[in-house]
Amino acid sequence: AQSVTQLGSHVSVSEGALVLLRCNYSSSVPPYLFWYVQYPNQGLQLLLKYTTGATLVKGINGFEAEFKKSETSFHLTKPSAHMSDAAEYFCAVTPGGYQKVTFGTGTKLQVIP
Amino acid sequence: GAGVSQSPRYKVAKRGQDVALRCDPISGHVSLFWYQQALGQGPEFLTYFQNEAQLDKSGLPSDRFFAERPEGSVSTLKIQRTQQEDSAVYLCASSTQGAGIINTEAFFGQGTRLTVV
Repeated sequence: AQSVTQLGSHVSVSEGALVLLRCNYSSSVPPYLFWYVQYPNQGLQLLLKYTTGATLVKGINGFEAEFKKSETSFHLTKPSAHMSDAAEYFCAVTPGGYQKVTFGTGTKLQVIP
Repeated sequence: GAGVSQSPRYKVAKRGQDVALRCDPISGHVSLFWYQQALGQGPEFLTYFQNEAQLDKSGLPSDRFFAERPEGSVSTLKIQRTQQEDSAVYLCASSTQGAGIINTEAFFGQGTRLTVV
């Protein structure tokens, strides 16, 4: 079985500041990890994913995440927040294959001008 | 179409009423997923189709929930005798390969917001 814990349901940052959204996972097998973004009244959009290989993964809109097996973490970062980054972000895990994906409860990011 | 289309976008149902939610996946996409997203929660898996075959329905919460994809394209999620706890956003996603979203991206629709009163 797998699970995802997102620390902080709401995160506020100033425009231009570092964005850090935390995600810890639990998986009985090597996991595949994802970050999705959801804008109001929109569907989920894939930001980035980790499957195998390089543990630092770069995604769209300047976001990146690092898979740390020893810490069972997959935190999402962006060096400089933009107003357009305000949205809800979901971390997700799957054990592989097609397998159904388990999502976290989400973190709403607010960017303050 | 250009993306995954879901209809209706909003549905209000009286408790006990049956509802049908439609998903038009991206043309040619083999895999189709349904998720339920309750208020303030992350999406939870309901069921998965590969073409017309329903390969996993383990997430359907009760036998009141039924999904079909008879011709391997459009899918319908039906909820019978709706109850208040069924109120949620129902998301549909599709992807190109039978391997699901590992090696290919799953594209999500905007969802159908169901409110049971």
